[in-house]
Amino acid sequence: DVKVTQSSRYLVKRTGEKVFLECVQDMDHENMFWYRQDPGLGLRLIYFSYDVKMKEKGDIPEGYSVSREKKERFSLILESASTNQTSMYLCASSTRTADTQYFGPGTRLTVL
Amino acid sequence: GQNIDQPTEMTATEGAIVQINCTYQTSGFNGLFWYQQHAGEAPTFLSYNVLDGLEEKGRFSSFLSRSKGYSYLLLKELQMKDSASYLCAADGGATNKLIFGTGTLLAVQP
Repeated sequence: DVKVTQSSRYLVKRTGEKVFLECVQDMDHENMFWYRQDPGLGLRLIYFSYDVKMKEKGDIPEGYSVSREKKERFSLILESASTNQTSMYLCASSTRTADTQYFGPGTRLTVL
Repeated sequence: GQNIDQPTEMTATEGAIVQINCTYQTSGFNGLFWYQQHAGEAPTFLSYNVLDGLEEKGRFSSFLSRSKGYSYLLLKELQMKDSASYLCAADGGATNKLIFGTGTLLAVQP
């Protein structure tokens, strides 16, 4: 079974803090993705990576950066957290070809 | 532009059949995914349609018409545990980048 894990289920941070969200997958998938999910807006792609050290902006990259130093790990970084980044963050992975994306359990981030 | 449309909410009765529609407009298209997401949990894969037609998988079936930019998810013999959000997502490119709809919240009532 594919397993995608995220470092925290719940996280509370203060405005201006630097926040790291970690995602690890154990299926040797090439592609990894970071989404945020907000009521009424659905899943929106922040960044994705199709290989180690490769990254591409998704639909809403502003205020975020990512790092993929190893194939199994994809990190999302909020350089200076703001209240409008309070959201559910979901990581996913997939093979390079058109295939299902497998999601992690999500991190509910609250920025105060 | 790229757009996925699906109803926001639906209600159905236990034991009944419900159809959740999805229309899409994307610049590229490989196929159409359906995911199920229970409250507070991650989305889980239900189906992936590449070719036109109906694909059946137990109580769940999914249909695709590429020429009409249309898909539906059919749930039969509804159970209370089917109460969840159902996400439609178009696979639009070589990097498996998905475009998601906002999801349809299905409430199954006794």
